[in-house]
Amino acid sequence: GAVVSQHPSWVICKSGTSVKIECRSLDFQATTMFWYRQFPKQSLMLMATSNEGSKATYEQGVEKDKFLINHASLTLSTLTVTSAHPEDSSFYICSARDGLKALYEQYFGPGTRLTVT
Amino acid sequence: AQTVTQSQPEMSVQEAETVTLSCTYDTSESDYYLFWYKQPPSRQMILVIRQEAYKQQNATENRFSVNFQKAAKSFSLKISDSQLGDAAMYFCAYRSQGGGADGLTFGKGTHLIIQP
Repeated sequence: GAVVSQHPSWVICKSGTSVKIECRSLDFQATTMFWYRQFPKQSLMLMATSNEGSKATYEQGVEKDKFLINHASLTLSTLTVTSAHPEDSSFYICSARDGLKALYEQYFGPGTRLTVT
Repeated sequence: AQTVTQSQPEMSVQEAETVTLSCTYDTSESDYYLFWYKQPPSRQMILVIRQEAYKQQNATENRFSVNFQKAAKSFSLKISDSQLGDAAMYFCAYRSQGGGADGLTFGKGTHLIIQP
């Protein structure tokens, strides 16, 4: 149980275009989802937190107009990178919290590698 | 804001031996959670072990154990009988005990190499 999927696993897009990454909880209801960013050989940095049906809360320094997060249902959150540039190339990881489990339980997706050319 | 520091960018250990990975953190909170995550080359984050700050007893999961020193804000991970499959990046992480909307703060990671 507690499986989180991400789609796509790898995406290449051209500079200036937008790309959407999906994060799904497959066997539980995710009341809260988190989006992290990981540059090569670096740590994970929390970008934003989203609660189902509410606006996302962004960490300091993260441009909310560039990284659009939607958590429209209890099983799906999306991250849209708008007007992508090469510096947005990174590994994006989502995690999800099961509303029925302990607050510290957080399940990670397999990540999405974004390459902007 | 909380910070997590891992001072060992890389560690190497012989197979079957024991290795300890270090982690220190800074917080003004009294209640929180600490975690060790493993990230193999697949990049899937795998929870290794969790420690609740209010518990004095150190957490243990099979070959993995922690040395939690709350006053010193130290949280080291000991891996006993190291196996080739333990080779990965290991991240120490902190989470406030607050509401469910708290994400994790990660350290920079330690790359663990297992020598056969």
